[in-house]
Amino acid sequence: AQSVAQPEDQVNVAEGNPLTVKCTYSVSGNPYLFWYVQYPNRGLQFLLKYITGDNLVKGSYGFEAEFNKSQTSFHLKKPSALVSDSALYFCAVSDTSGTYKYIFGTGTRLKVLA
Amino acid sequence: NAGVTQTPKFQVLKTGQSMTLQCAQDMNHEYMSWYRQDPGMGLRLIHYSVGAGITDQGEVPNGYNVSRSTTEDFPLRLLSAAPSQTSVYFCASSPPSGALGSDTQYFGPGTRLTVL
Repeated sequence: AQSVAQPEDQVNVAEGNPLTVKCTYSVSGNPYLFWYVQYPNRGLQFLLKYITGDNLVKGSYGFEAEFNKSQTSFHLKKPSALVSDSALYFCAVSDTSGTYKYIFGTGTRLKVLA
Repeated sequence: NAGVTQTPKFQVLKTGQSMTLQCAQDMNHEYMSWYRQDPGMGLRLIHYSVGAGITDQGEVPNGYNVSRSTTEDFPLRLLSAAPSQTSVYFCASSPPSGALGSDTQYFGPGTRLTVL
């Protein structure tokens, strides 16, 4: 069965510092991996995805993620955090059979301190 | 495009009442789905549809019904509401298989439901 783990409920980082939000996954076959962000009282917004190809994926708002097959990880990163990056971040894995059923992680709340 | 729209934004029900959460998209997306979001549990898939007339169960389907009579609409019905169904509900859609972005979901703003 597919699963996604986000080991940290909350991550605190000072503005201007690099940030990392961790995600590990378990799937059979090749994974489709995603990061979504949720701002307060809003729906989820797509940030980036890994389907195939280059292990470093660049996405919206300066975020990037690195796919590591041997460690089954897909950590979200940003070189310099902004206060406006404070939000809830979800990692997800998609069923590659074509039905697009997502399995979401439990979410990590990122707090960027001024 | 309005994208994915959901109504109502908020709803309070009493145990045993029924209601329908509405979801519509104007992007001609084939795939639509319903999730519920609960604290500490992320999003869990309730039901999904890969096209008009086709629906299937997700991870937590009990207590919910869906239908997909048109490409645009995908309503979620609670037949007899229970306090355990207090949650925030999100609808999402994706472009047709093989189309640009077909593996990315677009989410509505959510419906916050409280069952007393």
